[in-house]
Amino acid sequence: GAVVSQHPSRVICKSGTSVKIECRSLDFQATTMFWYRQFPKQSLMLMATSNEGSKATYEQGVEKDKFLINHASLTLSTLTVTSAHPEDSSFYICSARDWGGTGEQFFGPGTRLTVL
Amino acid sequence: AQRVTQPEKLLSVFKGAPVELKCNYSYSGSPELFWYVQYSRQRLQLLLRHISRESIKGFTADLNKGETSFHLKKPFAQEEDSAMYYCALSESLLETSGSRLTFGEGTQLTVNP
Repeated sequence: GAVVSQHPSRVICKSGTSVKIECRSLDFQATTMFWYRQFPKQSLMLMATSNEGSKATYEQGVEKDKFLINHASLTLSTLTVTSAHPEDSSFYICSARDWGGTGEQFFGPGTRLTVL
Repeated sequence: AQRVTQPEKLLSVFKGAPVELKCNYSYSGSPELFWYVQYSRQRLQLLLRHISRESIKGFTADLNKGETSFHLKKPFAQEEDSAMYYCALSESLLETSGSRLTFGEGTQLTVNP
């Protein structure tokens, strides 16, 4: 199946700094990518839909100025957590839909963010 | 708004026993239902989707619109089936919808030897 990568796999940062997480589709083009957040022992919560060449669509309650999403190419979407605080510590997962194949969503391995 | 409910957080069975992971949903339109699995230290991956009507690793799931359920079943559980299972709903069968997924809370399945 198609592969989605995330970088970094884990990051620790100080409160107030910004952190960028990359999501790449390695062997297919993804016009749409999704960003999820997962708290310990909880389900995945969709944060936003990243659309190549246009603005992201954010879910209700997700601050778009806090979680900046850029989808500049068909294989790369980035999530920047701005002015991070300890409550932003979480597991962030991206996915990409392979429209050219089965239409299945493929998930990245996730990024563990810890804000001190 | 759409919602997916998995009533059991934990499910433990013995090897060879039948297993059923429950999933109920609420959605006013025509949803697409999925089961995703996450093995220990691995990423989330698709197990099966209702429109495919296929059996993967011995698992099957039937969409019951009357009961709004999509339970996952396997007649004889294996130890390697131990994993976290998530039921998910996509809003529409139309590709243009963007296909946002709504996940259930997940069920941790443990198959004991």
